[in-house]
Amino acid sequence: DQQVKQNSPSLSVQEGRISILNCDYTNSMFDYFLWYKKYPAEGPTFLISISSIKDKNEDGRFTVFLNKSAKHLSLHIVPSQPGDSAVYFCAASARTGFQKLVFGTGTRLLVSP
Amino acid sequence: DTEVTQTPKHLVMGMTNKKSLKCEQHMGHRAMYWYKQKAKKPPELMFVYSYEKLSINESVPSRFSPECPNSSLLNLHLHALQPEDSALYLCASSQDLRGGPRVETQYFGPGTRLLVL
Repeated sequence: DQQVKQNSPSLSVQEGRISILNCDYTNSMFDYFLWYKKYPAEGPTFLISISSIKDKNEDGRFTVFLNKSAKHLSLHIVPSQPGDSAVYFCAASARTGFQKLVFGTGTRLLVSP
Repeated sequence: DTEVTQTPKHLVMGMTNKKSLKCEQHMGHRAMYWYKQKAKKPPELMFVYSYEKLSINESVPSRFSPECPNSSLLNLHLHALQPEDSALYLCASSQDLRGGPRVETQYFGPGTRLLVL
């Protein structure tokens, strides 16, 4: 039972354009969401998070949007850079089980020059 | 400083060997985690330590034995592993603010790539 889903296994974008990565979840108890970036053979690097009391959080080129009614979140990267090429995981946790992060399956982003 | 370190980076072991993975953080975090990640899959939680006590064991086989000697260190002892245990083992930590908001960011180490022959 995949509670966090990233339906696009891969995404290709040109440098300078916007990258939009999507994530859907099914567990209505989730109230904290995170995005991690992962290079091969390395650990996930935290990018940005959002609490369910917000619908948007911005940090530099990265913005996360949360639509609670649709159980959907997205990560926007503007402008995209070749160094952004990596696998992006969304993850979710619930206040009652806050230590259990549930990860999506990941989206491989390729930003071409 | 959001650094979590793990040693060794790579480990090859036979099915009869005993080895240990080590993880260290100096961020003052009081929760530490072990995850396992297979190729092209998301990380899967194995164990959580909170204030040096085991708080979550995700039904992990006993051939994996975690240990938290102090608030900065986390070990994973390996014994009689199977080839299917070959994976990237990730350590993470988070603040674990008791009495605070129960939402936390976990910070990951680079992982130990384990190959069981």
